[in-house]
Amino acid sequence: EVQLVESGGGLVQPGGSLRLSCAVSGFTLRDYAMDWVRQAPGRGLEWLGRTSGRYTAYYAASVRGRFTVSRDDLRNSFYLQMNSLQIDDTAMYYCARGHNSFDSWGLGTLVTVSS
Amino acid sequence: DIQMTQSPSSLSASVGDRVTITCRASQGVSRNLGWFQQRPGKAPKSLIYDASNLQSGVPSRFSGSGSGTDFTLTIDSLQPEDSATYYCQHYITYPYSFGQGTKLDIK
Repeated sequence: EVQLVESGGGLVQPGGSLRLSCAVSGFTLRDYAMDWVRQAPGRGLEWLGRTSGRYTAYYAASVRGRFTVSRDDLRNSFYLQMNSLQIDDTAMYYCARGHNSFDSWGLGTLVTVSS
Repeated sequence: DIQMTQSPSSLSASVGDRVTITCRASQGVSRNLGWFQQRPGKAPKSLIYDASNLQSGVPSRFSGSGSGTDFTLTIDSLQPEDSATYYCQHYITYPYSFGQGTKLDIK
């Protein structure tokens, strides 16, 4: 069974950093592109970025230069490093497998940016 | 960047009805279009990929059609559990983007 489990969310002050993790099981991570998507409270879905290989990443304009996606295929994990966090980065963050659109999703991890 | 626009933003229908949600892309996305369902407080769930292919385990009352810039999601014989927000998303070029969502209420 394909499973994705996010972790690492929490409360952080403006300007701070946070690293989210997505642990996967039930499939071989290196065979798939992986994506991060977020959803601010009461808002819609926003695609953030993708890694389709160890050294290939793509980003939304809203996070380019502040967020970095990476992966460790041996550890079956996928990451989102978030720097210079702002109030409007407050959201639920989801990881998703980039196969047949986004066929599998985690349950999400909540990030709150507040002083 | 490609913008995705859904209509309507919300709708209300009864059990057993047929509903259609429309998604329009600001430029052609071929058939690189997916549909998602999100129930309140839950993670999104993929329903359809490549415009018309049903994900495994999704009931056959859901169907998708379209190509280029205009797409539709149709739900036949509405069930109470179909109450949710539905999103379209393109994945032809980066950055990917979602529509703003269509909230479906079951009367």
